[in-house]
Amino acid sequence: QLRLQESGPGLVKPSETLSLSCAVSGGSVSRNNFPWAWMRQPPGKGPEWIGAFLYDGNTVYTPSLQSRVAISVDTSKNHLSLKLRSVTAADTAVYYCACHPASLLDSWGQGVLVTVSS
Amino acid sequence: AIQMTQYPSSLSASVGDRVTFTCRASQGIRSDLAWYQQKPGRAPQLLIYAASKLQSGVPSRFSGSGSATYFTLTISSLQPEDFATYYCLQDHNFPWTFGQGTRVEMK
Repeated sequence: QLRLQESGPGLVKPSETLSLSCAVSGGSVSRNNFPWAWMRQPPGKGPEWIGAFLYDGNTVYTPSLQSRVAISVDTSKNHLSLKLRSVTAADTAVYYCACHPASLLDSWGQGVLVTVSS
Repeated sequence: AIQMTQYPSSLSASVGDRVTFTCRASQGIRSDLAWYQQKPGRAPQLLIYAASKLQSGVPSRFSGSGSATYFTLTISSLQPEDFATYYCLQDHNFPWTFGQGTRVEMK
């Protein structure tokens, strides 16, 4: 059974880069038929899809974050990464990684809270 | 981006009630819609994908229907563990987009 675990600093200063990792166990990120995605959920609000690393090696991002975000896969470490540059308080959220969301194979991590504050 | 609108934003119901809520897409998305349940402090859990397919392990009291721009999620007999917030997600076009949620509260 696939398991995902997010990790990263819980506090990031404004204007800095948020870097998160998603460790995958029970499966491989190198399989080429699984899209891997990041979502986030600001406190008290609904989830937001950030972007995905697709099975063909391409990445897609939500337009509002596209200029600041990068999603990548490290097959040697079997993990998924998220980098979000120039963060502000509006980026404070619980960040989730997921494999093949909205499908029979849907699997999410438990989420990690990241607070942007000086 | 495709806009997803859920309504109502909240509803009050009792154990045993049949409840239905709705998700509308701003353009046609065929059957590319999923429903998630979320409880406080937990990650969203998939209930339905492809508009009407029940995710493995999800009780049969949950059902989804619809296509194109109009979708519904029905709980045939509300159970105590079903008080939660429900979100729809379209996976038809990038960027995928969520609805704003329907919160089911105890009457």
